[in-house]
Amino acid sequence: DIQMTQSPSSLSGVVGDRVTITCRASENIVTYLNWYRLKPGKAPELLIYEASRLQSGVPSTFSASGSGTDFTLTITSLQPDDFATYYCQQSSSIPYTFGQGTRLDLK
Amino acid sequence: QVQLQESGPGLVKPSETLSLTCTVSGVSVDSHFWSWIRQSPGRGLEWIGYIFYSGSTTSNPSLESRITISEDSSRNQISLKLTSVTAADTAVYYCARVSLSSASYLDKWGPGTLVTVSS
Repeated sequence: DIQMTQSPSSLSGVVGDRVTITCRASENIVTYLNWYRLKPGKAPELLIYEASRLQSGVPSTFSASGSGTDFTLTITSLQPDDFATYYCQQSSSIPYTFGQGTRLDLK
Repeated sequence: QVQLQESGPGLVKPSETLSLTCTVSGVSVDSHFWSWIRQSPGRGLEWIGYIFYSGSTTSNPSLESRITISEDSSRNQISLKLTSVTAADTAVYYCARVSLSSASYLDKWGPGTLVTVSS
């Protein structure tokens, strides 16, 4: 299985901050990398697909980049709705695997 | 608007079979691929498998011997059965639509349903 490693595991910020989360794959996944946001009790949301494509309806404060094994998700200006847990996921090979998550808390 | 809603018993006894249903609205289940994912404190998010082309499935090899994913187009539902459950199967179970363009991604999810395995 492809291992996905996110860093940091947690971080804190305030509204308006810029934050970056990284995701590293244990082997080359080209750009088969997706990012999701999870909040307790709510349906998870797709933010980014194919490493850098913004899902329809997702604010432009989200951006992402990367290819091969190293990827980043950036939130350029934190909004109240952004305090949640973020996961990367590879869809290069079965079984699809997720990172362990990055929890973003209000400082 | 596409919506998904998982349902099923919140408590299952060890060694029994966990059965969950995902009711889809806003789109026909036989026009898309559908996936099950679970989240547990110890294992994080785990992809379980997906169903496509009205019955074909692909599963996580770690669970393959215990899972059945099926589709009922008359009810517009997707189902998951997991046999011989243990405490390690305690998790929030999600269903999601699989979008396939040049890549595969989960573009619409249900809110999830918590299943606890305990006697």
